Amino acid sequence: DVKVTQSSRYLVKRTGEKVFLECVQDMDHENMFWYRQDPGLGLRLIYFSYDVKMKEKGDIPEGYSVSREKKERFSLILESASTNQTSMYLCGTGLNEKLFFGSGTQLSVL
Amino acid sequence: AQSVTQLDSQVPVFEEAPVELRCNYSSSVSVYLFWYVQYPNQGLQLLLKYLSGSTLVKGINGFEAEFNKSQTSFHLRKPSVHISDTAEYFCAVSESGGYQKVTFGIGTKLQVIP
Repeated sequence: DVKVTQSSRYLVKRTGEKVFLECVQDMDHENMFWYRQDPGLGLRLIYFSYDVKMKEKGDIPEGYSVSREKKERFSLILESASTNQTSMYLCGTGLNEKLFFGSGTQLSVL
Repeated sequence: AQSVTQLDSQVPVFEEAPVELRCNYSSSVSVYLFWYVQYPNQGLQLLLKYLSGSTLVKGINGFEAEFNKSQTSFHLRKPSVHISDTAEYFCAVSESGGYQKVTFGIGTKLQVIP
């Protein structure tokens, strides 16, 4: 089965800090993505990537950037964390016929 | 643009009773439809999907869903729920073909009461 690993389960950061969320997949898939999950809002797509060094904005890219230097790794970057970025972040891979998710990183920005 | 509406944010149901979780979608093109499940402290996993063909789709853990194009619905059903079905369920839609953005609903929390 596909394994998607997110580096941290819980993360606490201060306002203004630069934050890196890391995601690694073991299936050599070309596509990777980042969603954020908020109560009452469901999952919203932040960024996705078709291939190494390629990225596309999702529905809510503001305040975020991404990096994909290697096929298996897709990083989400918060250049200057803000309290409204406190959320559960889900990374994954796969085609739209089936997506595979990591177990999530709960980020708290204080 | 595509969108998904899950009509119930929470559904309490007694153990061994039937359940239906409702989902409606909006899209101007052909779509794929999905239900994902999220157990506590876990990521999402695919429960079932409709890509084409038979409108009645069977998934894991005894769940099934029916695609109704005229009503733009994809409701999830199970005839008899177990405590272990307590989870959050997300309906999702994407345009068919290749890699397309997947849009999720806000989720329905199913609480099975012993």
